[in-house]
Amino acid sequence: QVQLVQSGAEVKKPGASVRVSCKTSGYTFSSYYMHWLRQTPGQGLEWMGIINPDGTNTAYEQKFQGRLTVTRDASTSTLYMELSSLRSEDTALYYCARDGAHYFDHWGQGTLVTVSS
Amino acid sequence: DIQMTQSPSSLSASVGDRVTITCRASQTIINYLNWYQQKPGKAPKLLIYGASSLQSGVPSRFSGSGSGTDFTLTISTLQPEDLATYYCQQSYITPRTFGQGTKVEIK
Repeated sequence: QVQLVQSGAEVKKPGASVRVSCKTSGYTFSSYYMHWLRQTPGQGLEWMGIINPDGTNTAYEQKFQGRLTVTRDASTSTLYMELSSLRSEDTALYYCARDGAHYFDHWGQGTLVTVSS
Repeated sequence: DIQMTQSPSSLSASVGDRVTITCRASQTIINYLNWYQQKPGKAPKLLIYGASSLQSGVPSRFSGSGSGTDFTLTISTLQPEDLATYYCQQSYITPRTFGQGTKVEIK
């Protein structure tokens, strides 16, 4: 069955960077677009960015431009998200999700990132 | 960006009741509208895609309808396990945006 397993919770100081991984299994990783989203009590669910199946093209929500990098490793079927210049407002639950053609059909379990001095 | 507005923000209903949640888009999204269920402490789960197509494995008491700017999620007979927050989401254009959620409680 399709599984997306994310890395564990992180605590970071303001200005630092965080890298979250999403290891996939149960399907052909290199055939699907993948996304990162996040959830906060204040902003709800936010889409952050997308990467194409072969990893050659990405697109990011404008508010994350210059701070967000999404990559993927076909050899390990793993998706990555790196967010830099962290601030307290980036404290959130981060999710990876598979694109099932205009919808998010499978989600990771979520990774809590806490930004605090 | 396309704004998605759900109503109500919360509701309380009894087991067996028919529950309806509405979602309105700030511009037409044709039928690029999806519904997700999020149970406490869990990731969202896809229920309905393309406004009215039931995701595999989802109980048939869930249904979706609508097109253009106005959409509806209906739970025909509410069950105790339907306690959750429900979100609509448009995939017509990037950025893909979500409604603020509707929390369903069981009386």
